[in-house]
Amino acid sequence: NAGVTQTPKFRILKIGQSMTLQCTQDMNHNYMYWYRQDPGMGLKLIYYSVGAGITDKGEVPNGYNVSRSTTEDFPLRLELAAPSQTSVYFCASKAPGQGVTEAFFGQGTRLTVV
Amino acid sequence: SQKIEQNSEALNIQEGKTATLTCNYTNYSPAYLQWYRQDPGRGPVFLLLIRENEKEKRKERLKVTFDTTLKQSLFHITASQPADSATYLCPQKPINDMRFGAGTRLTVKP
Repeated sequence: NAGVTQTPKFRILKIGQSMTLQCTQDMNHNYMYWYRQDPGMGLKLIYYSVGAGITDKGEVPNGYNVSRSTTEDFPLRLELAAPSQTSVYFCASKAPGQGVTEAFFGQGTRLTVV
Repeated sequence: SQKIEQNSEALNIQEGKTATLTCNYTNYSPAYLQWYRQDPGRGPVFLLLIRENEKEKRKERLKVTFDTTLKQSLFHITASQPADSATYLCPQKPINDMRFGAGTRLTVKP
C-alpha cells in the first residue's frame, strides 16, 4: 500500500509565487489533515477535512487554501508565498472512529520561500 | 479549557535505563489516548493507543498506562537504546481537528 503520498518532496519558491502541495491517500480515509512544522517546533494544524466537500480551518490557516473534491485527494494551495511560510508540510489521514483510529502521515514537503 | 499536555520538552537518559514520558489532561475525560514517535524531518508514526478502561498496554519494549485518577498517561520505553532517540507525541486532540503539542524530545546516550 502506498499510504499517504505527498508531492513534491522539496520546493523553492520566490516571494509572491503560488503553488499547490499535493496529498493523496489510498486507504479510503475520511479524515485528512495538513500541518506545518517549523524547525525545532511542534506540528501546527493548518486545515483539515472530515470528508469530501467538507473542510475547516485549523490553528494557522492564514495564507493557505484547501479543497476536498474526492476522498483520496486534499491539496494545499499557497497563493502568495511569503518567507514565513518556509516550513516542512505534512499531510495525514485517518479513518473516523472518535480517537481510536491511528493517523498516517506522508513523508513531508520541505518548502523554502526566498 | 480542555487540554492534553506533555509535561516536559526534553528528556535525557542513559542507554539501558527506562524512559518515562507523561501526558496529562485537564477539564477533559478522553476515552482514548494515543502516542506517536517522530524522527527529525519525518512524519509522526503511530505507536500505541490506550482506552480509558485499560490500565496498561504493551508492545515489545513499550508500555503505556492510563490513570484516570491522576488524569495522566505514562509512556515507558524499557532497556532504552540510542535508536529510541526521537520526539514522542501525545495528541492534544486525537479526534476531528487532531492537534499536537511540541512533544517530548528523548535523547538516549550510549
